[in-house]
Amino acid sequence: DAGVIQSPRHEVTEMGQEVTLRCKPISGHDYLFWYRQTMMRGLELLIYFNNNVPIDDSGMPEDRFSAKMPNASFSTLKIQPSEPRDSAVYFCASSAYRGANVLTFGAGSRLTVL
Amino acid sequence: AQSVTQLGSHVSVSEGALVLLRCNYSSSVPPYLFWYVQYPNQGLQLLLKYTSAATLVKGINGFEAEFKKSETSFHLTKPSAHMSDAAEYFCAVTTGFQKLVFGTGTRLLVSP
Repeated sequence: DAGVIQSPRHEVTEMGQEVTLRCKPISGHDYLFWYRQTMMRGLELLIYFNNNVPIDDSGMPEDRFSAKMPNASFSTLKIQPSEPRDSAVYFCASSAYRGANVLTFGAGSRLTVL
Repeated sequence: AQSVTQLGSHVSVSEGALVLLRCNYSSSVPPYLFWYVQYPNQGLQLLLKYTSAATLVKGINGFEAEFKKSETSFHLTKPSAHMSDAAEYFCAVTTGFQKLVFGTGTRLLVSP
């Protein structure tokens, strides 16, 4: 398996633009997580899905953020409109129910909003 | 709610010296505890995990951690540091509902 695949790896955009980050989890994993990493706040869980259904989105900072998982092999995190304070590295991770909470992380998407 | 506290945002050691990274947890129920490592420009990788079996857990790359309930600690150690160990290390806790809470991380610096 190629692991968790995220795209794009780097994104530079201007304030107000829409940003879409993509994630392909490991085949057979039924949990998918979106984390955000910043120097100030560390690693924050934004939202997670189980069997494509959002379970907990309490970490989503505001309505500008939305996440979807239309099928077991694809998820998106969208920011609209983007703001400079959204600049961060966004990680997607997946795990299997029987994996004792072992998350496999993607390489991350580094977002810079100017 | 569960949480972890990592003491020291940076730890510096010489190559060949003992590595000790500290983690204390808070949980109202028996926790599952993890250590992850992050190399520059990469995602996090699992080093080791404690899931209520043996209290001394061995992980990859010669790392190990000991669960001490009386001290609510899960410190990470390695007898002899290698230059390739330089990275950021994260302690994490969950009570079994697939939702990991991470500490703020400790950056390990290894000098020759």
